[in-house]
Amino acid sequence: KAGVTQTPRYLIKTRGQQVTLSCSPISGHRSVSWYQQTPGQGLQFLFEYFSETQRNKGNFPGRFSGRQFSNSRSEMNVSTLELGDSALYLCASRLSGTNYAPASFGPGTRLTVT
Amino acid sequence: GIQVEQSPPDLILQEGANSTLRCNFSDSVNNLQWFHQNPWGQLINLFYIPSGTKQNGRLSATTVATERYSLLYISSSQTTDSGVYFCAVDYGGATNKLIFGTGTLLAVQP
Repeated sequence: KAGVTQTPRYLIKTRGQQVTLSCSPISGHRSVSWYQQTPGQGLQFLFEYFSETQRNKGNFPGRFSGRQFSNSRSEMNVSTLELGDSALYLCASRLSGTNYAPASFGPGTRLTVT
Repeated sequence: GIQVEQSPPDLILQEGANSTLRCNFSDSVNNLQWFHQNPWGQLINLFYIPSGTKQNGRLSATTVATERYSLLYISSSQTTDSGVYFCAVDYGGATNKLIFGTGTLLAVQP
């Protein structure tokens, strides 16, 4: 079974631009969550989607948004990029809608904002 | 919210040595996982261990949920074990929101 895939793997953007990142979960997994990793803040939860519904959102500004499609693929969008948005963005998928199952992570998208 | 602390923050070992990494959490949890972050940034599942003990080769993990801690044991360490080890927990109802510890940076020297 293929693992979680994320595209693109690397991205360089300029301040003020917007960016869309994509995550395809493991086949059959319906829950997708997103995390931001920076040297200063560590790994922080962004949001989680299950059956196309956002169930939980972390403490991030409204510039960060996401969605999930009927095939469980998910996208996250960051508008009006700031230098501090430079980070590794990781997505994880889970088989069930509960947390009684392990999360599997994709390889991440490394975003650099200049 | 729940707090997750890992110790030690950094660890340097000679190849062949054993080590124990600790994860303390401040509240009851439904799930605890250990991950190894490889040099390219991907988080690799090591253990899904909300309670009890599991072993996988040279690695083993124990979670004592009632005392709110988990331990990751690495035996006969190899240079390929180098990297950052994270524990992560989630709790509460039907939502998948992992809370990560700050990690342990392990360097295994030949």
